[in-house]
Amino acid sequence: NAGVTQTPKFQVLKTGQSMTLQCAQDMNHNSMYWYRQDPGMGLRLIYYSASEGTTDKGEVPNGYNVSRLNKREFSLRLESAAPSQTSVYFCASSDRRGVRSYEQYFGPGTRLTVT
Amino acid sequence: AQKITQTQPGMFVQEKEAVTLDCTYDTSDPSYGLFWYKQPSSGEMIFLIYQGSYDQQNATEGRYSLNFQKARKSANLVISASQLGDSAMYFCAMRPNQAGTALIFGKGTTLSVSS
Repeated sequence: NAGVTQTPKFQVLKTGQSMTLQCAQDMNHNSMYWYRQDPGMGLRLIYYSASEGTTDKGEVPNGYNVSRLNKREFSLRLESAAPSQTSVYFCASSDRRGVRSYEQYFGPGTRLTVT
Repeated sequence: AQKITQTQPGMFVQEKEAVTLDCTYDTSDPSYGLFWYKQPSSGEMIFLIYQGSYDQQNATEGRYSLNFQKARKSANLVISASQLGDSAMYFCAMRPNQAGTALIFGKGTTLSVSS
């Protein structure tokens, strides 16, 4: 039971390049999320998917696109990377079941640098 | 607007002492959840404790307890008997009362434990 996995762990891009961050969960959760973490800002929501087949914008969606490929996988795409997108990206998943309703389980993060 | 406020950018404590990390929240929902996560220097997000808005008693998980004062909209984390391994960033987060919605995070508090 791997929980939430993310690839890659580290990435360096040049301005204007594109890339896709991959996320998968094996907990059969309905909801998945992408956050970015910047120093002094906490975690901010980029996009989320409440259930398979749906996606919605979060607080900071500009410059990103997402795909909920199936129940397990939720990818984040940067079409034309900018230095302002240098950040640590976390994928998370959650479900309503359990006492700690909607507790989010986080992946290990992707550290992205755009030069 | 729904918001989490952590007013202490950094806290310092000696080993074996107790420490309180402050968190206030703002929501008009009658039902919500409050979480604390720990982020050590290695970067992963570790769940610590959860409090539901209708829970009558304050949550406890080992050395962690949550001082929940609903009328004051505060959810402070208390760590008893601090250990060197408690040195980390701590985030307070709120889950609004909607299925599939993301957590709203505070900006975090850095805790440093010295011997």
